[in-house]
Amino acid sequence: QKEVEQNSGPLSVPEGAIASLNCTYSDRGSQSFFWYRQYSGKSPELIMFIYSNGDKEDGRFTAQLNKASQYVSLLIRDSQPSDSATYLCAVRAAGGGNKLTFGTGTQLKVEL
Amino acid sequence: DAGVTQSPTHLIKTRGQHVTLRCSPISGHKSVSWYQQVLGQGPQFIFQYYEKEERGRGNFPDRFSARQFPNYSSELNVNALLLGDSALYLCASSLLGDGNQPQHFGDGTRLSIL
Repeated sequence: QKEVEQNSGPLSVPEGAIASLNCTYSDRGSQSFFWYRQYSGKSPELIMFIYSNGDKEDGRFTAQLNKASQYVSLLIRDSQPSDSATYLCAVRAAGGGNKLTFGTGTQLKVEL
Repeated sequence: DAGVTQSPTHLIKTRGQHVTLRCSPISGHKSVSWYQQVLGQGPQFIFQYYEKEERGRGNFPDRFSARQFPNYSSELNVNALLLGDSALYLCASSLLGDGNQPQHFGDGTRLSIL
């Protein structure tokens, strides 16, 4: 079992729709959860981070965390073509310092 | 403010050579972490440095080493390069080293081994 799992996609959504990206993790002691966006040929860019169970909203983005189910998701409302990218889920374990364990990423395509 | 800066942006080496990659963190950030990203995969943790001390090491061979300087900049060294070392090398900085602050990545160094 991979430590952090994501569906590689591609996930295709029409412009203006809600894109839902999911991530599961295996270490129940994980404490911090991050979503990065990576355009092709570029480096990862931090989108959201969440530490506590529940929802965290920032503009069009909402991160959802359910520690009991070991599940974290990212919702993108009113999806735009510029949102087309690979979204990386990253998890930090307890006592792991700054070490982040990444999933392989989900490719999102927002179609006109 | 400048973000995380890495140099060089691209590098081509041959098998057996060594390479030094450099990173300057965001001003005020004291922790630097290094990651390797192979095409089609997520970044993989190599090292973390905080206050010039190694605070974490990933599953990489001893050919990989790093250090952090008093100004919090960092170098990643890779000896005896192999074809499999071809990847994007990413540096990330954060304010502290306890994992409670988000990490921000530089643009990376793309290393190609011939």
